[in-house]
Amino acid sequence: GENVEQHPSTLSVQEGDSAVIKCTYSDSASNYFPWYKQELGKRPQLIIDIRSNVGEKKDQRIAVTLNKTAKHFSLHITETQPEDSAVYFCAAYYTGTASKLTFGTGTRLQVTL
Amino acid sequence: DAGVIQSPRHEVTEMGQEVTLRCKPISGHNSLFWYRQTMMRGLELLIYFNNNVPIDDSGMPEDRFSAKMPNASFSTLKIQPSEPRDSAVYFCASRMRHNEQFFGPGTRLTVL
Repeated sequence: GENVEQHPSTLSVQEGDSAVIKCTYSDSASNYFPWYKQELGKRPQLIIDIRSNVGEKKDQRIAVTLNKTAKHFSLHITETQPEDSAVYFCAAYYTGTASKLTFGTGTRLQVTL
Repeated sequence: DAGVIQSPRHEVTEMGQEVTLRCKPISGHNSLFWYRQTMMRGLELLIYFNNNVPIDDSGMPEDRFSAKMPNASFSTLKIQPSEPRDSAVYFCASRMRHNEQFFGPGTRLTVL
């Protein structure tokens, strides 16, 4: 089955700096890669996703890149703000069957003033 | 759409009691997932259904846990008997094929 590894487990940046979270996956058939943000006491919420036919996707201050050959994808947050502080999860799955999302173990991002 | 609905939002019970968690997926979604989240173990997939049929229950910790999906709009996760180590937040999520997965607000379970 799919295995997703996520690094780092914790990340502290100063407000205004950029943050990068990296994930690798094992199943070359995976073709959908979402990122979820979970604030303290809240549910995980999708913030951005990318499909395997695209190398990069951007939405305001967040962007995701995908390298299918190397089987890794990354989340980039620019101009970080205190409200970006949360746990971020990457995930991967193959949309062709009734399969499950495989989640990474999460990255706790702390944006300090 | 109201999103994925879970009830109760909070449950406090005593060890040995039966606990039933409920989930209503988003209308039209054909896959439903039950997760458990703790500080120690992170986010764990317990079981998921596709078109109301259980596909993978390998994450169910033991026989005390059971899940059902009698129709497309309702699912339950039951723990009988409950134990203190079952204390966690339980999330239900649903998805339409090829599309994004939405999580419910979660049920915070405390077993005393």
